[in-house]
Amino acid sequence: EPEVTQTPSHQVTQMGQEVILRCVPISNHLYFYWYRQILGQKVEFLVSFYNNEISEKSEIFDDQFSVERPDGSNFTLKIRSTKLEDSAMYFCATLLAIQETQYFGPGTRLLVL
Amino acid sequence: AQRVTQPEKLLSVFKGAPVELKCNYSYSGSPELFWYVQYSRQRLQLLLRHISRESIKGFTADLNKGETSFHLKKPFAQEEDSAMYYCAVSTDSWGKLQFGAGTQVVVTP
Repeated sequence: EPEVTQTPSHQVTQMGQEVILRCVPISNHLYFYWYRQILGQKVEFLVSFYNNEISEKSEIFDDQFSVERPDGSNFTLKIRSTKLEDSAMYFCATLLAIQETQYFGPGTRLLVL
Repeated sequence: AQRVTQPEKLLSVFKGAPVELKCNYSYSGSPELFWYVQYSRQRLQLLLRHISRESIKGFTADLNKGETSFHLKKPFAQEEDSAMYYCAVSTDSWGKLQFGAGTQVVVTP
């Protein structure tokens, strides 16, 4: 069964540094999402992406965050200048069509020091 | 405010006992309801969704619009059911999921 993959599995970075989290969606999926889960808290929606543009974003997704799908395969989340509070597990999810099942990647654990 | 509530953080049950995980939502309109499960060190995966009305791994969930609930039930818990369970709601046209805080289920022999 095809799976969503994410790299890296873990990343440690210094506050103020840029990080790029990568996701490889299931090949024919059209909708892409990023979620995050701060330790001990609920999974929170960050952004959805369709047809090469952001379709919806949450209040968390401020100017420090950006997403793109530069080569038609990888779907990336960039945090320009990381803050301590960005430390979390970041999940990518992809969807073939609305009302179908969202498939999640294994997550990237980001630690900002 | 729109919200998904899972009141139990931890549910500990004996093998063979029934288990019920509560989920209440506060959304207007016709939301889609889901249960996702996360086994230890594995990814989030869909357990079931209300529109399919199917039973997966012996779990069922009934959408009660009057009580705005979507409780997850299994009559006889198994040790392999030990996991984190998340109730989720989708209310918009872009498929965004809103999750509850999750319930950790521990099934002891």
